Amino acid sequence: DQQVKQNSPSLSVQEGRISILNCDYTNSMFDYFLWYKKYPAEGPTFLISISSIKDKNEDGRFTVFLNKSAKHLSLHIVPSQPGDSAVYFCAAIGSWNGAGSYQLTFGKGTKLSVIP
Amino acid sequence: EAQVTQNPRYLITVTGKKLTVTCSQNMNHEYMSWYRQDPGLGLRQIYYSMNVEVTDKGDVPEGYKVSRKEKRNFPLILESPSPNQTSLYFCASSPPSGSGRTRRYFGPGTRLTVT
Repeated sequence: DQQVKQNSPSLSVQEGRISILNCDYTNSMFDYFLWYKKYPAEGPTFLISISSIKDKNEDGRFTVFLNKSAKHLSLHIVPSQPGDSAVYFCAAIGSWNGAGSYQLTFGKGTKLSVIP
Repeated sequence: EAQVTQNPRYLITVTGKKLTVTCSQNMNHEYMSWYRQDPGLGLRQIYYSMNVEVTDKGDVPEGYKVSRKEKRNFPLILESPSPNQTSLYFCASSPPSGSGRTRRYFGPGTRLTVT
């Protein structure tokens, strides 16, 4: 059962516009969420995170929004740049048991293409 | 430079021939883990280690072994590789945290092909 879902495999956006990447989760015990960016032939790199006690976290052009009641989070990139073209993974950490606290569960990723 | 390194970066092998993929981090992180990435499946955790001599299974541990004898190293061992283990493998580490709610630092990946 997939606990972290990214339902859009791909997204194309014009340069300068807003990119919105979505992520849904099913396990209410997840309480810390992260976004990673991955370029081909490289490891994932951390982008931004949010704790469940917050509903928004901002870092430069990147903002993550969390809607706990809907079990939904989104990553906004404004303005989008061609260098943002990559695969974006949503990930979650939960606390339902001691081992679970260290499990980082990933979604399947969304490939973002920013068109110049 | 703080980093996670993996070796080899690319490996083609045959079914049944034991292999080890090494992972090393220079950040004194306690937590280390291995993931595999497959098309349409995202990143799935294989094994993780919360500290030296402490390891546990992730979501897809079958066919893999790990060891954590030193804090900086966390090798992934395939005793008898099979074609379904053809994948892109990532090692990751993270700093100490009682809750594990910290970012993971990922290595550059190892592309493994088993024929």
